[in-house]
Amino acid sequence: DTAVSQTPKYLVTQMGNDKSIKCEQNLGHDTMYWYKQDSKKFLKIMFSYNNKELIINETVPNRFSPKSPDKAHLNLHINSLELGDSAVYFCASSQGGTANSPLHFGNGTRLTVT
Amino acid sequence: AQSVTQLDSHVSVSEGTPVLLRCNYSSSYSPSLFWYVQHPNKGLQLLLKYTSAATLVKGINGFEAEFKKSETSFHLTKPSAHMSDAAEYFCVVSGVNNNDMRFGAGTRLTVKP
Repeated sequence: DTAVSQTPKYLVTQMGNDKSIKCEQNLGHDTMYWYKQDSKKFLKIMFSYNNKELIINETVPNRFSPKSPDKAHLNLHINSLELGDSAVYFCASSQGGTANSPLHFGNGTRLTVT
Repeated sequence: AQSVTQLDSHVSVSEGTPVLLRCNYSSSYSPSLFWYVQHPNKGLQLLLKYTSAATLVKGINGFEAEFKKSETSFHLTKPSAHMSDAAEYFCVVSGVNNNDMRFGAGTRLTVKP
């Protein structure tokens, strides 16, 4: 009965490769997000998406792209991976994107680029 | 614009003693404020939220936080720490919508037996 699930949990890959991380939520939420947590635990939003609008944090390189086949899924594709992409990536969802809507997080995907 | 400062990067307490994790915020709006907890190798879990109702907010696992507008603070407390409380805690402020959400740098809570 996992609410927000991400796969894989760990991803080790070489520079220059292309990889994807999958995310699914069964909460019926209409808004999903991707966050990046760096080695110092700092969390930064990368994308938010609902069925109407994709909002991209302007600091995110265009090598990163979200893909949403339906309301319950938001996958993250990363092209030409770089060493600096190593981090933990969290998927999250909320009902509505308003300020008082709490986020529900997945358990994260630890990406290591060698 | 919003920002949040967690005043302690690491707090260590003994089991059974009170916990205080400090958070100050800045916001151009009437803010929504949250505390999340992250256990090792897990995602973040909502502890509690403030959204302009009662200033003293009760959350899960015995935690509570008090919104003090005059001090721009939203400190997290618990009367008696348990070993299972050892985790990373994040204070979060949200502005107009969740795209304006800002996370603090986190406070690592250690609980000694």
